[in-house]
Amino acid sequence: ETGVTQTPRHLVMGMTNKKSLKCEQHLGHNAMYWYKQSAKKPLELMFVYSLEERVENNSVPSRFSPECPNSSHLFLHLHTLQPEDSALYLCASSHARDYPPYEQYFGPGTRLTVT
Amino acid sequence: AQSVTQLGSHVSVSEGALVLLRCNYSSSVPPYLFWYVQYPNQGLQLLLKYTTGATLVKGINGFEAEFKKSETSFHLTKPSAHMSDAAEYFCAVRSSGSARQLTFGSGTQLTVLP
Repeated sequence: ETGVTQTPRHLVMGMTNKKSLKCEQHLGHNAMYWYKQSAKKPLELMFVYSLEERVENNSVPSRFSPECPNSSHLFLHLHTLQPEDSALYLCASSHARDYPPYEQYFGPGTRLTVT
Repeated sequence: AQSVTQLGSHVSVSEGALVLLRCNYSSSVPPYLFWYVQYPNQGLQLLLKYTTGATLVKGINGFEAEFKKSETSFHLTKPSAHMSDAAEYFCAVRSSGSARQLTFGSGTQLTVLP
């Protein structure tokens, strides 16, 4: 595998379910990100991890719980979601959060539908 | 503070015609600028980036962009559109200093007409 991978690619869950999204980067990067992409809305940064430490949480509801066990893996644990949480969830990584080069490399995303 | 404005949420061009997607940014310090492309049901793919040096930047798939500091612009162009260029394009800016994240524009959906 190369680049940034995400599993599953598609997920349908009920409002009472618990599920997890997984992201893995094979680029040797030290920073990882979760974004939410909803239809007709700008990309929303949810969480930032730098060297496995969460450094940013952009007022995300507690029903989203991130986990970064090491610099290559990032999870997003989901529970008691709402229909408005249906979106494409994108994972990204970069060399470092605060030093150039700043470009981020994205995974293909998980299309989440909450029923 | 940094911000990005993409003029035109939808752009249509004929196959073979010039593609011009506009991006203006605001940044209090010299910026790093990026263009990303997103095909349906996929993640964002880096097309090109400007860091320092030459203001005309070439990217993948025949795209290029020019950094114009005086106009605070970083417009994306391609001389001849191909059907496979149909996608959504995002401009992004990162300023060194207090801004600690990439800021993305709202995107421009490019349609290529046969």
